[in-house]
Amino acid sequence: GAGVSQTPSNKVTEKGKYVELRCDPISGHTALYWYRQSLGQGPEFLIYFQGTGAADDSGLPNDRFFAVRPEGSVSTLKIQRTERGDSAVYLCASSFKGQGSSPLHFGNGTRLTVT
Amino acid sequence: GNSVTQMEGPVTLSEEAFLTINCTYTATGYPSLFWYVQYPGEGLQLLLKATKADDKGSNKGFEATYRKETTSFHLEKGSVQVSDSAVYFCAQNTNNAGNMLTFGGGTRLMVKP
Repeated sequence: GAGVSQTPSNKVTEKGKYVELRCDPISGHTALYWYRQSLGQGPEFLIYFQGTGAADDSGLPNDRFFAVRPEGSVSTLKIQRTERGDSAVYLCASSFKGQGSSPLHFGNGTRLTVT
Repeated sequence: GNSVTQMEGPVTLSEEAFLTINCTYTATGYPSLFWYVQYPGEGLQLLLKATKADDKGSNKGFEATYRKETTSFHLEKGSVQVSDSAVYFCAQNTNNAGNMLTFGGGTRLMVKP
């Protein structure tokens, strides 16, 4: 079946611009996660949704970052006034129910480059 | 806080060599432990997991044992193949209610024929 889909796969934007990154989770997965992976590092947690609500947004670095999941399926990560330090691969993952040992299924990520 | 530390790469081995990638963790409570793999050009995939002390996770010839006494989850494989070349990430879940993962920095494995 279809996996987690992220679009676009690559995004180049100028410093100060606004960007939106989209994630389509696996059908039926109620839990959705956003991670950020900088070059040569492991993924870092940003935000977790259970259904439509953000259950934990403690990983968002500042108020320029925001994410929504209005219908409990597709999610959009929004970054305002982008900075060069925001350049990274943004990963989305989903899991069934978000329970302790349910595996996370990751998308291929969106590579964001801020020039 | 919770963290995961794994050996830095790259690790370069010849085909059929024995592989060990070290991973240690710090955590409050008793997390589940995972190894994820990222093949070139692909997304992260779950390789194996263990949910409690002394559990052994295994998949595709890879194994890792959850050692509470040493807070470790080292990844091993007896005979690596060129196709195992990838980046390997050790991870723990930090919140059982949400299964949010804390990852190590990743270890690149390169296997030469």
